[in-house]
This record gives sequence, C-alpha cells and structure tokens, in this order.
Amino acid sequence: AQKVTQAQTEISVVEKEDVTLDCVYETRDTTYYLFWYKQPPSGELVFLIRRNSFDEQNEISGRYSWNFQKSTSSFNFTITASQVVDSAVYFCALSEGWDSNYQLIWGAGTKLIIKP
Amino acid sequence: GAGVSQTPSNKVTEKGKYVELRCDPISGHTALYWYRQSLGQGPEFLIYFQGTGAADDSGLPNDRFFAVRPEGSVSTLKIQRTERGDSAVYLCASSSGGDGTRAGSTQYFGPGTRLLVL
Repeated sequence: AQKVTQAQTEISVVEKEDVTLDCVYETRDTTYYLFWYKQPPSGELVFLIRRNSFDEQNEISGRYSWNFQKSTSSFNFTITASQVVDSAVYFCALSEGWDSNYQLIWGAGTKLIIKP
Repeated sequence: GAGVSQTPSNKVTEKGKYVELRCDPISGHTALYWYRQSLGQGPEFLIYFQGTGAADDSGLPNDRFFAVRPEGSVSTLKIQRTERGDSAVYLCASSSGGDGTRAGSTQYFGPGTRLLVL
C-alpha cells in the first residue's frame, strides 16, 4: 500500500543553520509524483516542488534543495541558511500512476521552528 | 491571477445541523479536490472531481458527506447531521490536470474552511 513517512515531528534550529527534512515513501507503482508543501501559521498550503519518478536529478531553488533517491525511496528537503520566515509545517506527499486517481497521500508533516 | 477561494473561512454550527462549504477553483482548472485536515495531521482526501463528475469519492467518510460541482467550476461540500468529530479544516484544491495524460498535475490549495461543531 502507498504511504508517506515523515519521521521528524518537530525540528528546532537557530537562524542561519542548515536543516534537512526527511521523507520516505512506499508505492508499488513505477510511475508516481512526489511533492513538498509548506503550511505556515496562516494555514494555507503552499506548493514548493513536484518531482516525477523518472527524474532523479536533484533540484535547487534559492535556499531550497531536494534530494530524490529511488534506491532508498526518499525525497528529502534541505533549507540552507534558514530564516525565521521558514518556520512552518512542511508536508511531503505522493501521487500515484497515470490514470484518473490523482489523490495525494500525505505524510504527517514536520513542524520546523527557526529561532532568531 | 486569483487563487482558490473558499467560503466561509470559519463556520461554527451545532451538532445535528446541516452545513455547506463552498470552493471556487482557479479559473480554467478542470480538476477539483476536497481534503479534510485535523489538528496536527496531514490532509485526508475526501473527493475528486474531473469536470462536473466525481471521479473518485472513496475518501468520503459516510453518507452524511456529499459534494457537487454542477457546472464544472464551483463546488459545494455538504455535510448533513453534523457531528463533533466533523470538526476540522476543510481544504479545497484545484489543478489543470485530469485528462488521463497529465497525472501528477500540481494541486493548488485554498485557505480552507475551519468547521467547528459544538
């Protein structure tokens, strides 16, 4: 069965430190998509990145980077030089297959606290 | 352009009452989703629309929950005989995918409706 695990419930770091949020997924499909969303205290889910199962290239966007490794079924997210505004709950999610079922399967989220 | 909008932002009701939650997707998005999020948890899938039809309603918890999207744009989630356990944030998302060839289209979320059943 499909599953997304974010083992870190809460992480607290001091501003400017680097921090990595872990995501491990389970799926039997060979075609799938992985996502990261940010949920700040305001509550709205903000899309960060989408990665398909055929593209294992790492991606960097400013201070954000993502490491996708199919061999370990992981899709980890690193924030470099963290800032207080990065404080939020971060969710990893999985969407399987090419057919009509597009529902996202979500991890439980990691609460990230960046202290000034 | 405008994002996904949801109304009301907050709804307080009494146990046993009927409620309707509205979602207005991003213009042009054919796919629409409803999720429910309880405190401290990830969202839980409820139902997915492709156009006017419900393509997947496997997440609806029971027959008190029902959703419609009559014109393929705005959707309404309806909850009958509300129970305290229905209290949660109800999230709506839309995406441009859903034609069978664009799986994994990114879902963009609205701000949610916070439902409290007393």
